[in-house]
Formats: sequence, C-alpha cells, structure tokens
Amino acid sequence: AQSVTQLDSQVPVFEEAPVELRCNYSSSVSVYLFWYVQYPNQGLQLLLKYLSGSTLVKGINGFEAEFNKSQTSFHLRKPSVHISDTAEYFCAVSVNSGYSTLTFGKGTMLLVSP
Amino acid sequence: DVKVTQSSRYLVKRTGEKVFLECVQDMDHENMFWYRQDPGLGLRLIYFSYDVKMKEKGDIPEGYSVSREKKERFSLILESASTNQTSMYLCASSHGTGGFGEQFFGPGTRLTVL
Repeated sequence: AQSVTQLDSQVPVFEEAPVELRCNYSSSVSVYLFWYVQYPNQGLQLLLKYLSGSTLVKGINGFEAEFNKSQTSFHLRKPSVHISDTAEYFCAVSVNSGYSTLTFGKGTMLLVSP
Repeated sequence: DVKVTQSSRYLVKRTGEKVFLECVQDMDHENMFWYRQDPGLGLRLIYFSYDVKMKEKGDIPEGYSVSREKKERFSLILESASTNQTSMYLCASSHGTGGFGEQFFGPGTRLTVL
C-alpha cells in the first residue's frame, strides 16, 4: 500500500517570501502525485498533478512541484506568496490500478502574514 | 463548470439518530467517494463507488454505509450516529480508471453529533 508524509503541519511565511511545502511518499509501484489546496470553509481544489514526463510540474496560482523519484519526494514551491495563498495544502498519491483512489497526507497549513 | 454538491453545509444530530448525507455530481463521472476530514489526520476514505449499485470499503468504513442507486448520486449513511462521528465530510467524484483522474470535491458537510 502507498502512503504520504507531509513533514510540516504548519508553515508560517511573510508575504512575498518564497515557500516550499514538503511531501514524501512510499509505494512499491509507480505512482501518480497530486497537490490539492483547501481554502477556509471550502472543498479541495486541484493545484497540480504529476502523471509522467517532465518532473517539473506547473500548476495554478504560480505554484510548481518537482517529482524526485530517487528521493520519493514531490515538494511544492512558490517563489513569492500572497496573503490569499493562506490555506491548507494536501499532497496525495494514487497508483495505476483498477480503482482511482487517492491516499492523502495529513496536510500543511500555509500561514502568510503581511 | 463542473460541480459536486452536498445536501447540507452544516448538520447537527443527536446520538443514535440515523443520518443521511447526500452528494450529487453533474459531470457523468463513474467514480464517487466519501471522505472524512479531521484536524491533524488529513482526509480518510470511508467508501467509494465505481459504478451504480457498486461500493467498496475505504480505510475507515466502520459505522458507515453507502448507497448509489443513480450514477449522479452517492449517499453516506450513519445508521446510529455517535459523537466520534463528529467531523467534516467531503464527497468527490472522478472519471475513469487507472488512478490518474482528478477528483472534484464538494464543499463539505460539517456534522456535529451531540
């Protein structure tokens, strides 16, 4: 079975600073990787996904992530954050099987202050 | 615009009551999912369905059941609600098999069991 570890439960940053949210996974087979964002009192929204090909994936709102197979990581980055990026971020993994279920990490709360 | 709707945003029930949470999607997706979200635990899969009248247990099915009589609708049932089922419940849907399809989420139902 696969699993996901998000190493930080909270990441406080100042506006316009760069940020990295860390995600590591474990799986015995090839995986697909996702980052979702949850704004307060809302459901989850897809930020970006890695299926195959280029290991650097660009998503919405200026976010990007890099798939590193040797380190089993899929860290999320943004060069300059805004107050509006304050939200909870979830890393998720799925495998190529008959069912398209996702296994989620426990989430990282990004707190952007002025 | 794709949409997943959930019948209630907030729900308060008493211990022992039978509770129905309804989810409807308008994207003709084959797969539908029910998760519960708790602080520090991320999202955990309760049940999912990959076709009408089909259901599969997720990671935490105890105390829950589901029903999928129509493709667009997936219901989560708490046969006898207990206080430890107080949580945020999220419904999602996706298209196809193989694990690479994006899941689209509803806004969530915050259930309080007194």
